[in-house]
Amino acid sequence: SQQGEEDPQALSIQEGENATMNCSYKTSINNLQWYRQNSGRGLVHLILIRSNEREKHSGRLRVTLDTSKKSSSLLITASRAADTASYFCATANTGGFKTIFGAGTRLFVKA
Amino acid sequence: GAVVSQHPSWVICKSGTSVKIECRSLDFQATTMFWYRQFPKQSLMLMATSNEGSKATYEQGVEKDKFLINHASLTLSTLTVTSAHPEDSSFYICSASPDRDRILKGINSPLHFGNGTRLTVT
Repeated sequence: SQQGEEDPQALSIQEGENATMNCSYKTSINNLQWYRQNSGRGLVHLILIRSNEREKHSGRLRVTLDTSKKSSSLLITASRAADTASYFCATANTGGFKTIFGAGTRLFVKA
Repeated sequence: GAVVSQHPSWVICKSGTSVKIECRSLDFQATTMFWYRQFPKQSLMLMATSNEGSKATYEQGVEKDKFLINHASLTLSTLTVTSAHPEDSSFYICSASPDRDRILKGINSPLHFGNGTRLTVT
């Protein structure tokens, strides 16, 4: 990918379970963002974590950031069928204003 | 707030024809818009940065004569795929940010996306 790797590439879980997705990146960052994409649609911004933050919460979402390992994780707790989507992490290019996306994780939540 | 509208949502065209895709920021002004391309089950690849009143900046490997970008106003950017061929079939998505300091400060502020355009060239 342009920016880094995400794993797993695909994840299938039962409703009510937690889903964890990981992202690694290559450059120094001032923030890292997570986006969600429903099939055939545009992306929706979920959460932003700054480089000086280690963890952030938003509803059922929990994001962690480890700048020493250049990695981040997105945890969705108590998943629902409606969470089925692709999830992408994103960082900036060297200049700072272009958003570059990871390969994405396709999450499928079975009802 | 911060709604981006993209039109059309899908288009089928014959090989050799040109297709124009519009991207509008409905409730904010966007001096910069970004065009991405996405192949099935893959990530988004940044194609170009559209700049209001000036030339677009294309990413390496993207043909500027193939993918014409015009950003004539603070709320509208267009991407024209010229002389389309089957290999141009893809999902094209535009995005913008209401953060005017994005470029000046080099801040990767959150983007708002259109719903994409599915282009099929036959």
